[in-house]
Amino acid sequence: ETGVTQSPTHLIKTRGQQVTLRCSSQSGHNTVSWYQQALGQGPQFIFQYYREEENGRGNFPPRFSGLQFPNYSSELNVNALELDDSALYLCASSLGPGQLLNTGELFFGEGSRLTVL
Amino acid sequence: LAKTTQPISMDSYEGQEVNITCSHNNIATNDYITWYQQFPSQGPRFIIQGYKTKVTNEVASLFIPADRKSSTLSLPRVSLSDTAVYYCLVGDTPGNTPLVFGKGTRLSVIA
Repeated sequence: ETGVTQSPTHLIKTRGQQVTLRCSSQSGHNTVSWYQQALGQGPQFIFQYYREEENGRGNFPPRFSGLQFPNYSSELNVNALELDDSALYLCASSLGPGQLLNTGELFFGEGSRLTVL
Repeated sequence: LAKTTQPISMDSYEGQEVNITCSHNNIATNDYITWYQQFPSQGPRFIIQGYKTKVTNEVASLFIPADRKSSTLSLPRVSLSDTAVYYCLVGDTPGNTPLVFGKGTRLSVIA
């Protein structure tokens, strides 16, 4: 149990649709990172939010966007879904830069499995 | 970001010690080495982190030679429940740079 919860756990969409995935971070964590994990691959970094601002982005197109709210929960939005977007989407919360006791440890949720048909 | 290289897969019998080595030739002075474990359909879980020499916790040991160009995760007396994918990551001062995962090492423990 990491204290990080994601919803929904599973969902099915069709090409061209839009999806919103949600993440509640662990208490006291002000940083949230999102990863995409295709079958048989390691998690790929999408972006990170620190205190409601995007703080780093991986090699993903602009149709992948996110938000972080004042309570540090977060959303990942994907527009114009493509078949290759089918994956497990992982959210990880962590302490932020400069926070006391920050080791950089990521606390992952169980993920949201998205299937695009 | 320093790139890491680790074996794609390893097999082991129950009760044996397993050592997984990771190469990170371009590790920078500020970089830490972190290992995560992932079971199917779950998020990765932090195992251990180190900067140099040896670190040990209740789950594993991490050995880092003086040049820090490689590291070895040691799992003592593995059990079937240790079957998982193990990722080696290298990143700078904690929290400043997002961690980048490779493909990891798939460890299969057999009875």
